[in-house]
Amino acid sequence: EVQLVESGGDFIQPGESLRLSCAASGFTFSDFAMSWVRQAPGKGLEWVSAISGSGMSPYYADSVKGRFTISRDNDNNTVFLQLNSLRVDDTAVYYCAKEGGAGGWYLGQWGQGTRVTVSS
Amino acid sequence: EIVLTQSPGTLSLSPGERATLSCRASQTVGSNYLAWYQHKPGQAPRLLMYGASRRATGIPDRFSGSGSGTDFTLTITRLEPEDFAVYYCHQYDKSLQTFGGGTKVEI
Repeated sequence: EVQLVESGGDFIQPGESLRLSCAASGFTFSDFAMSWVRQAPGKGLEWVSAISGSGMSPYYADSVKGRFTISRDNDNNTVFLQLNSLRVDDTAVYYCAKEGGAGGWYLGQWGQGTRVTVSS
Repeated sequence: EIVLTQSPGTLSLSPGERATLSCRASQTVGSNYLAWYQHKPGQAPRLLMYGASRRATGIPDRFSGSGSGTDFTLTITRLEPEDFAVYYCHQYDKSLQTFGGGTKVEI
């Protein structure tokens, strides 16, 4: 059974940094792209970033490009999202999700999310 | 960036009725890389459809997806009580993915 468990969310001040982790199990981790999606309070889902199975190809939404960095450790089945220069509008629940696997990077399985609150 | 516009914003229906949700893209979605998700408060989103019309594993056949190019539809025949939720479409060209704003299906 696929399991994705996010951690690292916190209450943090604007301008600070945070690293989110997503521990994966139940599948061959390096075979699948992984993504981060967020949901701000009262808003819809927003795609944030994705990374290929090898880790060589990261992609970002314009809203986070230059501030966030996605990476993965295929030896330890974990994907990370480094959040720098955080802003109040980065406040959200951050979900990690696994590529579905049948063509394209749709999001087949999701974690329960970790909450990031940015406030002074 | 492909902008996805979902309509209506809210759909008020009763159990047993049919729901038709629309997702319109600002430009052609390549390879029909369009997915639909169901999201309930406090839960992880759940994949319903991918490739515009392919049902994900374990999804009941009352859910169906259709469309191509810029116009896509999710249909739920005979709404069950557990189907009341928010539904999102998602185009997943890997380099710049986007979600629609969501449609809330409420009683």
